[in-house]
Amino acid sequence: KNEVEQSPQNLTAQEGEFITINCSYSVGISALHWLQQHPGGGIVSLFMLSSGKKKHGRLIATINIQEKHSSLHITASHPRDSAVYICAVRSAYGGATNKLIFGTGTLLAVQP
Amino acid sequence: EPEVTQTPSHQVTQMGQEVILRCVPISNHLYFYWYRQILGQKVEFLVSFYNNEISEKSEIFDDQFSVERPDGSNFTLKIRSTKLEDSAMYFCASKPTGYQPQHFGDGTRLSIL
Repeated sequence: KNEVEQSPQNLTAQEGEFITINCSYSVGISALHWLQQHPGGGIVSLFMLSSGKKKHGRLIATINIQEKHSSLHITASHPRDSAVYICAVRSAYGGATNKLIFGTGTLLAVQP
Repeated sequence: EPEVTQTPSHQVTQMGQEVILRCVPISNHLYFYWYRQILGQKVEFLVSFYNNEISEKSEIFDDQFSVERPDGSNFTLKIRSTKLEDSAMYFCASKPTGYQPQHFGDGTRLSIL
């Protein structure tokens, strides 16, 4: 079983729609990351959070530590938001150098 | 904004050959990582490096792999004798201090023929 599960795997939306991508994890964590990967492969960090909620522009990330669940929301989606969105967690064990454990990603396509 | 730089962007190598993937982390960063992503699969951790030594490595990082920070700016991943299954996108990442986000390079696509 994967330690980090994302849903849905694929998501198609119309421009302007509100989008939610979910992430559940089974390990103890010290932080959770949301990352964006565009075609061609580069990875960009969107959020790192360990509690509560963070907002950046049209993106909102929330985390519920007790339920081991996080969501990434995109408001007023736009075709340029089309990308793979990846949830990754940092284990609570192993100190500051600890690796990230990645989910399989959600492929989002926003149609005009 | 400073960024992690990886070269080359695409490397094609014959099976059995040695390959060196290069990364220039952001200059004041102290923690360095290599990850790989086989086509269509999730990103996997290979190795972390701090204070001039490996701090953690995965099962994938066997004796064919090595990392070096030879001159205080470059961070390299060497695969000694490549196999077909080493074909993947390899990402370098760095971060400044313990509990800061990692910054990723654009990756090197390694194709083994």
